[in-house]
Amino acid sequence: LAKTTQPISMDSYEGQEVNITCSHNNIATNDYITWYQQFPSQGPRFIIQGYKTKVTNEVASLFIPADRKSSTLSLPRVSLSDTAVYYCLVRFSGGYNKLIFGAGTRLAVHP
Amino acid sequence: GAVVSQHPSWVICKSGTSVKIECRSLDFQATTMFWYRQFPKQSLMLMATSNEGSKATYEQGVEKDKFLINHASLTLSTLTVTSAHPEDSSFYICSARDPGQGNSHYGYTFGSGTRLTVV
Repeated sequence: LAKTTQPISMDSYEGQEVNITCSHNNIATNDYITWYQQFPSQGPRFIIQGYKTKVTNEVASLFIPADRKSSTLSLPRVSLSDTAVYYCLVRFSGGYNKLIFGAGTRLAVHP
Repeated sequence: GAVVSQHPSWVICKSGTSVKIECRSLDFQATTMFWYRQFPKQSLMLMATSNEGSKATYEQGVEKDKFLINHASLTLSTLTVTSAHPEDSSFYICSARDPGQGNSHYGYTFGSGTRLTVV
């Protein structure tokens, strides 16, 4: 399983764009990159998944360079409710593989 | 979308007693479920993979006799913390995969977690 590295914490202000970068140097060809969000005392919630280039959905964008050794989660115009821990995971695309969580990035959004 | 229900959401028990936590997939059948433990300010740590109709697969360092997992049906997995001690106090989270979602990450749904406090 590819190991991921991301900043331990980040601070931002309401209305700003937040970019969280995750390093996964040992990512394999069949691995997908996914991001989860977790609020205190809740289970993680899926945010976005990608394999290469750029993926966008209603809550975030995910940028993946050609070498796929890193990825950046972009949260546009954050609000206080985006204060949470964000986890970057790399998972083999086949089967019922377990999800292994790294340390995550604790994002604090200030007024 | 897929929903995983976890019960109870919190429980307080006395040291030495056992506690059972349930994880149910409400609108899909899950042949595989996962159990995690999370201590304050830490990440989720995978404890075991629960397989319907067979024995669970435990991660290294997790005591199988301490954390009993039963996956007797396609919609229910239970985690029993036996002879609980204060150091077992933690946040326990289950996850289930909806096979109908193929290989997408959309298929992994997490329960809301159970806060266990052992006094």
